Amino acid sequence: AQSVTQPDIHITVSEGASLELRCNYSYGATPYLFWYVQSPGQGLQLLLKYFSGDTLVQGIKGFEAEFKRSQSSFNLRKPSVHWSDAAEYFCAVGGVSGGSYIPTFGRGTSLIVHP
Amino acid sequence: DTAVSQTPKYLVTQMGNDKSIKCEQNLGHDTMYWYKQDSKKFLKIMFSYNNKELIINETVPNRFSPKSPDKAHLNLHINSLELGDSAVYFCASSLFAYNEQFFGPGTRLTVL
Repeated sequence: AQSVTQPDIHITVSEGASLELRCNYSYGATPYLFWYVQSPGQGLQLLLKYFSGDTLVQGIKGFEAEFKRSQSSFNLRKPSVHWSDAAEYFCAVGGVSGGSYIPTFGRGTSLIVHP
Repeated sequence: DTAVSQTPKYLVTQMGNDKSIKCEQNLGHDTMYWYKQDSKKFLKIMFSYNNKELIINETVPNRFSPKSPDKAHLNLHINSLELGDSAVYFCASSLFAYNEQFFGPGTRLTVL
């Protein structure tokens, strides 16, 4: 079965600093990979996705992520964090199990931004 | 022009009651989902409907039953509510399976 690991429960950065959120997945083939952001009291919003092609993908709000097959990773990055980026970030993997597409989410990383 | 809407936003009820949560999407998507998010923010898929057919049914209690009257709606009915059912429930939709999902604002269910 597929799985997603986000090893950092909380990450604290200063405004203006760079950010990297880690995501590792387990799946037998190349999965569909997603990063979502959840602001307090809101639903999830897609930041970016990877299906195939260029392994460096650009998303909204200045985020990017790099797919590294050899490391089974899909880490999210941003060069300069803004206070409004404080939120919960979820990495998700989509794959097929038992003939059906199943999306699996990581446990999330809470981003705290200090002024 | 809300893409995915859920009602109600908050639901407080007693143990043993039966309740429903409604979800509607106006995106013309073929696939809809229900997720449960617990107090630690863990998001677990419960059901998925593709063109009104259930294609995923994770190991959720049969007290939970999804009902889809048409492609734009996927309601969640819960019988005999238990304390452990307290959570935030999210509806989502995607153009087709494998694609990005659009999430509703969530329904916070509290069982007393």
